[in-house]
Amino acid sequence: ETGVTQTPRHLVMGMTNKKSLKCEQHLGHNAMYWYKQSAKKPLELMFVYNFKEQTENNSVPSRFSPECPNSSHLFLHLHTLQPEDSALYLCASTRERVGYTEAFFGQGTRLTVV
Amino acid sequence: AQTVTQSQPEMSVQEAETVTLSCTYDTSENNYYLFWYKQPPSRQMILVIRQEAYKQQNATENRFSVNFQKAAKSFSLKISDSQLGDTAMYFCAFMKLGSNYKLTFGKGTLLTVNP
Repeated sequence: ETGVTQTPRHLVMGMTNKKSLKCEQHLGHNAMYWYKQSAKKPLELMFVYNFKEQTENNSVPSRFSPECPNSSHLFLHLHTLQPEDSALYLCASTRERVGYTEAFFGQGTRLTVV
Repeated sequence: AQTVTQSQPEMSVQEAETVTLSCTYDTSENNYYLFWYKQPPSRQMILVIRQEAYKQQNATENRFSVNFQKAAKSFSLKISDSQLGDTAMYFCAFMKLGSNYKLTFGKGTLLTVNP
């Protein structure tokens, strides 16, 4: 257990559905990230939030909409997804320390789009 | 842009033996970090070991050590005295210093430790 909790663990949704993924950390971290992990591909960084402000959008389609209401919570809102969006979505958080930074990952949400 | 290449999609090793996983990377940066992450079937991505590019000494963490060759842009992971619990996907990752911990990952190597 790393202190980063993602819900749900598994999600099956139709292409016309709207759903949300949730990530929560109470580690005092100020930065949070969404990564996408597809089969046979490297993890792809999707979004970065620093102190609730989005600092990175890695050319992610608008059908993925992130939200960061505070430094402890991060959401990924999903709508009109495609089957190729099926993947493991990982959340991570970090806190900058002098000379050292480590990312803590959640266990991911396994998303299947049907 | 940085790229990370792991050329071994799968490897296996007998329990108690030593195994080395390969990683090469490409970057024009001079200041960066390299990492090995482990992802067991539970899917939790766990940091195994990290190396600062400015340090010549290879990092070690108990049974895990790296061979960092900066000029060759090579960063291999050696696991000694392999244990069944080491069975997992292993990812090599690169981070540019000051990039707000944006990681670039390789495709991973599936390591199976056999009894």
